Amino acid sequence: KNQVEQSPQSLIILEGKNCTLQCNYTVSPFSNLRWYKQDTGRGPVSLTIMTFSENTKSNGRYTATLDADTKQSSLHITASQLSDSASYICVVSTSGGYNKLIFGAGTRLAVHP
Amino acid sequence: GAGVSQSPRYKVAKRGQDVALRCDPISGHVSLFWYQQALGQGPEFLTYFQNEAQLDKSGLPSDRFFAERPEGSVSTLKIQRTQQEDSAVYLCASSWDRPTGELFFGEGSRLTVL
Repeated sequence: KNQVEQSPQSLIILEGKNCTLQCNYTVSPFSNLRWYKQDTGRGPVSLTIMTFSENTKSNGRYTATLDADTKQSSLHITASQLSDSASYICVVSTSGGYNKLIFGAGTRLAVHP
Repeated sequence: GAGVSQSPRYKVAKRGQDVALRCDPISGHVSLFWYQQALGQGPEFLTYFQNEAQLDKSGLPSDRFFAERPEGSVSTLKIQRTQQEDSAVYLCASSWDRPTGELFFGEGSRLTVL
């Protein structure tokens, strides 16, 4: 069964600190892996999209990594800000014509002053 | 429009009522998706349209759920005889003409069935 698992389920850090969120997936066939940020009460917003051949991609203070051999990805947030408080969702797309996306349950991040 | 627009943002229905949720995708976007997001969970796929054609409805949980996109732009998700387990946020997303391209999500319609 295609699955995406994320850890930790929730995380609290202090403003200015770094953190790393984990994603493991068992999705086949694999097309790409995405990280989304979802603020409370809002729709998800794309942070990064990585294909099979890419093993790292940055978007400002966000850096995603992908190890397609071990089927693991991480999202590293540098110098966290209060506005980073949100859910971060790992999403894997299966290949085969369109965006059949498999979503993880997300990691809820709280950044405290 | 500037983004994906969904309405209503909030809907409270009594069990057994029918509801209709509307999605206005970004102008020109060919692909449109509906997702269901339970509290504390990631979104789950419901159905996919390419223009007016519903190419995949495998995620619709029962025959009480029906979606349409008659003119290839606005889409409506209809839920008949709502049940408490239908309570969730219903997200709509659209993408450009490449079906594997970036998805743009609306803010969702939160349905509460009493």
